[in-house]
This record gives sequence, structure tokens and C-alpha cells, in this order.
Amino acid sequence: QLQLQESGPGLVKPSETLSLTCTVSGGSISSSTYYWAWIRQPPGKGLEWIGSIYYSGSTYYGPSLKSRITISVDTSKNQFSLKLSSVTAADTAVFYCARDTMGGTGSFDYWGQGTLVTVSS
Amino acid sequence: QSVLTQPPSASGTPGQRVTISCSGSSSNIGSNYVYWYQQLPGMAPKLLIYTNNQRPSGVPDRFSGSKSGTSASLAISGLRSEDEADYYCAAWDDSLSGVIFGGGTKLTVL
Repeated sequence: QLQLQESGPGLVKPSETLSLTCTVSGGSISSSTYYWAWIRQPPGKGLEWIGSIYYSGSTYYGPSLKSRITISVDTSKNQFSLKLSSVTAADTAVFYCARDTMGGTGSFDYWGQGTLVTVSS
Repeated sequence: QSVLTQPPSASGTPGQRVTISCSGSSSNIGSNYVYWYQQLPGMAPKLLIYTNNQRPSGVPDRFSGSKSGTSASLAISGLRSEDEADYYCAAWDDSLSGVIFGGGTKLTVL
């Protein structure tokens, strides 16, 4: 059974860079079929797709955060990562990693449990 | 303000049939597939419907999806207390070049 697990600091200071890693188990991140995505959800609000990456490193990012994000992949560790720079309190959210089944459609079939990241000094 | 518009709330009694709408435009729902997610309290979202009207393995056939023009709907028949959750629609938007989600609908089972 495929499992995804987010990890990273739960507290980040304003203006700093948020860094999260998603570890995939029970399947290979190098599968040619799937992309891998980051999605966030501010407390009490809706979902926002951040971006997705293919095992080759090819990425596509959501328009609202494109200037501040970097998504990378490490196939040797079966992990992919998110960096979000210049964070503010508005970036406080639960961050989910997920498997993107069709690369650019909105189809996410496996999700991590999510990790809350709070931006505060 | 989400590009995909959902009613903020919906409700029904056990056994009833409820529908949740998702309204978009020609650049998203009108030209791409629609997906639906169920998010139980405190949990990660779960894919409920893919490519407009298909159910992943394990999703009861009480859940169904449809699409017409620039709108989509999720129907839940035989409502159960465990269906109480937030429901989100999603689609690719050609103009924004990204995946967009609706604002979510909180379903209450009375």
C-alpha cells in the first residue's frame, strides 16, 4: 500500500524559507506514470495546489506561488521536497504531499496525513 | 474567491439524496475533467470521483458525479452520518495553467 509522509519544521520565522520533505513508501517515486504534488490548506480554509514534479525533475507550479517555490525530487531516497521562500503569516497552513495521477488534471489519489507549518516569530 | 464556485454548506437527513454543485468556466470545467474530494474532520482529503464520474475502488456507489457544460455536481444518495464532511471539486484551468479547487462545501447530516 502506497504511503506518503511529510516531514519538516512545524514553526518557521517570517521572511525565512519553509522546507518540507515527503517520503514515499510502498512504491517507487520513479514510476513513469505519476507526478508528485504539494497541496496546502490554511486553517479553516480550502485547498490550494502548490505544484507537482515528475521523477525526472520536470515541474509545474501553481501561478500564485510560482515566484517563491522550488520543488525537487531525490529518487535515491524516494523523496520529493518543497521550499517556499519569504514566508509570511499568510503561509501558515497544513501542507500535504500527494500522488498526482495524471500530471496536470487535479487528480490526487494518495495523500500524506499533512503537517502543520506555522509562520511566526 | 475561488475560481470554482461551490455552496458553502449543504445538509440532509439520513437516507436522503443531496447534491453539491461546482460552477466554473470554459477554461476549467468546460474543457477539462472534474474531480471530487471528501475531507473528514481532521483528516487528509480523499479522492471520491475522478474524470467527472468515475469512482475509485472502495468508494460506495452512493456517490456519483456528473458534468454538464461549465458545471459539475456530486450526488450522495442514502445519506449516512459518516458522510458528514467537507467536499471539494477540482479541475485544471487552462488560463491559469494550474489545478484549481472549489472553496469547499460543508455537508451536515441532520
